[in-house]
Amino acid sequence: AQSVTQLGSHVSVSEGALVLLRCNYSSSVPPYLFWYVQYPNQGLQLLLKYTSAATLVKGINGFEAEFKKSETSFHLTKPSAHMSDAAEYFCAVSVPGNQFYFGTGTSLTVIP
Amino acid sequence: KAGVTQTPRYLIKTRGQQVTLSCSPISGHRSVSWYQQTPGQGLQFLFEYFSETQRNKGNFPGRFSGRQFSNSRSEMNVSTLELGDSALYLCASSSQTGRDEQFFGPGTRLTVL
Repeated sequence: AQSVTQLGSHVSVSEGALVLLRCNYSSSVPPYLFWYVQYPNQGLQLLLKYTSAATLVKGINGFEAEFKKSETSFHLTKPSAHMSDAAEYFCAVSVPGNQFYFGTGTSLTVIP
Repeated sequence: KAGVTQTPRYLIKTRGQQVTLSCSPISGHRSVSWYQQTPGQGLQFLFEYFSETQRNKGNFPGRFSGRQFSNSRSEMNVSTLELGDSALYLCASSSQTGRDEQFFGPGTRLTVL
């Protein structure tokens, strides 16, 4: 079975500080992993994806994530938080011939 | 390319009524998935359609149904609405089943009174 666990439903960081959003996955086959961002009253927008190529994946808006098979993790990071990064972030896993499984989301607050 | 569109954006219904939501995927995409998003439950998968066939289904009661047309547009129907059906309903399209990233529409906000 496939699943995603996002540790921390709420994360607060100061503007300019490191952003670290945690995601652990469970998958019986090599996974494809995704991070999405959702701004208020909008749909989800893809930040980045891992598809079994490079383990360090760079996405939009300065975000990146590292796939660590040994830790079954795919944490999202950004070196310096910006006020515009305040949003809900979702980690997701997909496997061949199956649907996406989303985590419960992490709400990021950026403190000026 | 135009993105995923969903209509209507907002709906208010009363208990017992039924509702139909519409989703137009990105041109060329054949897979359409539906999700229910609520503050307490997060994103819950409803079902996925690929080339007019339901390929995957989540754990929702039979009151929730869907279909996909030959042009890949999809509709979702909820019958006998309950208060707990109030949610943001998101549609996502992708070019294949499962592996490709999903592109989301803005959602339909359903309020059941």
